[in-house]
Amino acid sequence: DVKVTQSSRYLVKRTGEKVFLECVQDMDHENMFWYRQDPGLGLRLIYFSYDVKMKEKGDIPEGYSVSREKKERFSLILESASTNQTSMYLCASSRTVNGNYGYTFGSGTRLTVV
Amino acid sequence: QQQVKQSPQSLIVQKGGISIINCAYENTAFDYFPWYQQFPGKGPALLIAIRPDVSEKKEGRFTISFNKSAKQFSLHIMDSQPGDSATYFCAASMRNNAGNMLTFGGGTRLMVKP
Repeated sequence: DVKVTQSSRYLVKRTGEKVFLECVQDMDHENMFWYRQDPGLGLRLIYFSYDVKMKEKGDIPEGYSVSREKKERFSLILESASTNQTSMYLCASSRTVNGNYGYTFGSGTRLTVV
Repeated sequence: QQQVKQSPQSLIVQKGGISIINCAYENTAFDYFPWYQQFPGKGPALLIAIRPDVSEKKEGRFTISFNKSAKQFSLHIMDSQPGDSATYFCAASMRNNAGNMLTFGGGTRLMVKP
C-alpha cells in the first residue's frame, strides 16, 4: 500500500523553538509539497520541491524553510515557532508524468505552539 | 493569478438527497480536475478526477460534470449518506506546470443528516 507518512500526528512546541516536521513517501514521486490547513482558509501552499535539493516557495513561505536531501524525504522547518503557526500541516507527493497528476496526502501533523 | 473558486462553503443535505458542489476556474490551460475528500483528522484523499475532453465522469454515487465553455465543474453526490459527511476540495492542474502543482478551491464542508 503506497503511502505518505508524516512523522508526528500531534506536536506541542514552545514559542521560539526550532521545529522539524518530517514527511516520507514510498512511491518514488518526484514532487513533494507542504501545505497548512486552517479553518475557513482551505489549503495554503508553503513550499514545494520537484527534485532532490530543489525547492520553490509557495504562497505563504514566511517563517518556514524546507530541506530535500533525498527523493523520498521532505522536511518542513519552522525556524522560530510562533503561536500563529499553530495549524494542521499536510505533506503531499505526486509524479511528474503526463496522466494522473493527483496528489497523495499524508494524514497530517497538528502542531500547537504555546 | 491562477484561482479556483468553490461554492458553497458549507452544505447540509438530508440522507438520500443530492449534494452539489460547484467550482469555477480562470486558466484555460488547466487540463486535470480532481476532487478530494477529507474526513476530520485525516489528510485529503483523491475521490474522482476528470479531463476536459469529456463532459461527465461517474464513479458509483459520485459524478463530476464539466462545462468547458463556462469554465466550471461540479461534484454531484447521489443518494447522500451520513458517511459522506466530510470536507470536499476541488482542484485544477495543467501539464508543464513545475511540480504538477494543483490549485485548490477553498473547500466545502458537507454534512449529511440522517
